[in-house]
Amino acid sequence: QVRLKESGPRLVQPSQTLSVTCTVSGFSVTSYHVSWVRQPPGKGLEWVGAIWKGGSTDYNSALKSRLSISRDTSKNQVFLKMNSLQTDDTGTYYCAKQKYSGAYFDYWGQGVMVTVSS
Amino acid sequence: IQMTQSPSLLSASVGDRVTLSCKAGQNINNYLAWYQQKLGEAPKLLIYNANSLQTGIPSRFSGSGSGTDYTLTISSLQPEDVATYFCQQYNSWTTFGGGTKLELK
Repeated sequence: QVRLKESGPRLVQPSQTLSVTCTVSGFSVTSYHVSWVRQPPGKGLEWVGAIWKGGSTDYNSALKSRLSISRDTSKNQVFLKMNSLQTDDTGTYYCAKQKYSGAYFDYWGQGVMVTVSS
Repeated sequence: IQMTQSPSLLSASVGDRVTLSCKAGQNINNYLAWYQQKLGEAPKLLIYNANSLQTGIPSRFSGSGSGTDYTLTISSLQPEDVATYFCQQYNSWTTFGGGTKLELK
């Protein structure tokens, strides 16, 4: 059974770094691609970035300078790091499995709600 | 690629045929997906490649369209269909529409 679960801090101070972990089961991160998607409260969805099954990464150009996505294949985990957080980075951060590179998201984690506030 | 959904809010009655629209800023070659998001939950994939029904999704959901214009249809609205629906293009990177909130009249 495919499952993804995000974990990370619920509250981050402005200018600090967000670190979120996505732990997957039911598939290997070396066989499928995993993306991060975020959603501000009450708003739409925004693709943040992806780590492809081969280990390379791509990022939303608007966020690229602040982002890092990596993985631990032995633990089947994917990591998101975003620095210099501002209040408009507040939202729910989801990890999601992609059927193939650049495709739709067939499985999603439950998301982690992150508030950027002092 | 800009994705525009309409309407932003739709009220309908149980049993109604409901149509949601998604318009792309350029031809996306049917690389379009639809998601359902219930309050407090993650999005769920309904339709991919414009008209392919994801496994386990009820057959009352269907997708159609081509080029820049796409539609999600619910043939007979059920109470459990109350949700916000998002479209996503994946022809060029990926972007989402702003969503249509579907409520019961």
